[in-house]
Amino acid sequence: DAGVTQSPTHLIKTRGQQVTLRCSPKSGHDTVSWYQQALGQGPQFIFQYYEEEERQRGNFPDRFSGHQFPNYSSELNVNALLLGDSALYLCASSRGLRDRGNTDTQYFGPGTRLTVL
Amino acid sequence: DAKTTQPTSMDCAEGRAANLPCNHSTISGNEYVYWYRQIHSQGPQYIIHGLKNNETNEMASLIITEDRKSSTLILPHATLRDTAVYYCIVRSYSSASKIIFGSGTRLSIRP
Repeated sequence: DAGVTQSPTHLIKTRGQQVTLRCSPKSGHDTVSWYQQALGQGPQFIFQYYEEEERQRGNFPDRFSGHQFPNYSSELNVNALLLGDSALYLCASSRGLRDRGNTDTQYFGPGTRLTVL
Repeated sequence: DAKTTQPTSMDCAEGRAANLPCNHSTISGNEYVYWYRQIHSQGPQYIIHGLKNNETNEMASLIITEDRKSSTLILPHATLRDTAVYYCIVRSYSSASKIIFGSGTRLSIRP
């Protein structure tokens, strides 16, 4: 049973560039959440996708956008990169709104380390 | 979601039980207690969760007080691989519920 996968593992970009990060959810999961973790801090919620729509969003600017595909995989896009966007970006998957029989435990991927120079 | 309070750091001898406390005095009746851990530079790993009864799985035990205002995560026989930051989180039963992470407890296991 494949867990949550993310690509790439590491990425280096320069200020002003755009980046796309990818996530494939755990088998059987249809909801994807994205988190940003700056060095030395806990992860912060960016947004969540279910049924190809953004369902909930944290306190992040519009430079951060996402997409979910019919196969439940997801992308996180960040435009006009700033030095402060350097962080570990985490994807978590869970079973979505249709599943009322269980708590929606979120399972995390290994993350993508983004460095902005 | 309710806030949690955890000690900044703890240490434990290898082979002994590690007991990690968490205070969540403002927890609501429909909020679960979750524990995750994060080993350096890896994604958070789910450990266990519970509502009001004590829970046990292959990784750990979760003890929740009767008033649900605090809980303890127990790693029964700590190993060096258990060195990590442990996050105690409370969140409601909702598939749209985001996880709000605090600062966690940095657990060091000494040989």
